[in-house]
Amino acid sequence: DAGITQSPRYKITETGRQVTLMCHQTWSHSYMFWYRQDLGHGLRLIYYSAAADITDKGEVPDGYVVSRSKTENFPLTLESATRSQTSVYFCASSSGLSGYTFGSGTRLTVV
Amino acid sequence: GQQVMQIPQYQHVQEGEDFTTYCNSSTTLSNIQWYKQRPGGHPVFLIQLVKSGEVKKQKRLTFQFGEAKKNSSLHITATQTTDVGTYFCAGAVEAGNNRKLIWGLGTSLAVNP
Repeated sequence: DAGITQSPRYKITETGRQVTLMCHQTWSHSYMFWYRQDLGHGLRLIYYSAAADITDKGEVPDGYVVSRSKTENFPLTLESATRSQTSVYFCASSSGLSGYTFGSGTRLTVV
Repeated sequence: GQQVMQIPQYQHVQEGEDFTTYCNSSTTLSNIQWYKQRPGGHPVFLIQLVKSGEVKKQKRLTFQFGEAKKNSSLHITATQTTDVGTYFCAGAVEAGNNRKLIWGLGTSLAVNP
């Protein structure tokens, strides 16, 4: 089915570990985004990508790495997880002309 | 910096009452989008407004974009329990490209049956 899928849905990791959140879309959208959502802060953009091999920082990029070797995939890596990175992470895609389609999210807990 | 203020932050209504949330931008927007997020869910795109003074309706929902393209509102007539959730506005600042959106913090709507 067409859509945008994130995995895993839930993840618990330890401080200092590397963790990768996956995002896959079948819309062939050019743009993909990673947001984190925390109470009181709304949606904050971490990174975005305009096309394969083109990525750019958002509002809160520190501690995160992204790559986009293929149009349909946009993984987000936390290089060394910290407790402040406990959050709900949403991946989204867009053609750039209309609204964003969001994935179901990954709830990450760093202990 | 550029920001979008959204009010109120929370709203509790009785089922059947009307509800309105407002967004005000510090800068002129090329368009504004509205999203709904159910509790435990993800944001879902509702609508995009592009033209100055534009009004669009989706059943009981009415969306307006201000004449100056700096403010917008979402009005729900006769709320139902299915309307529960957080409503976000997001403004685009680049004409013809939604690459960069400025998000409001959302209005959380609770509906008492």
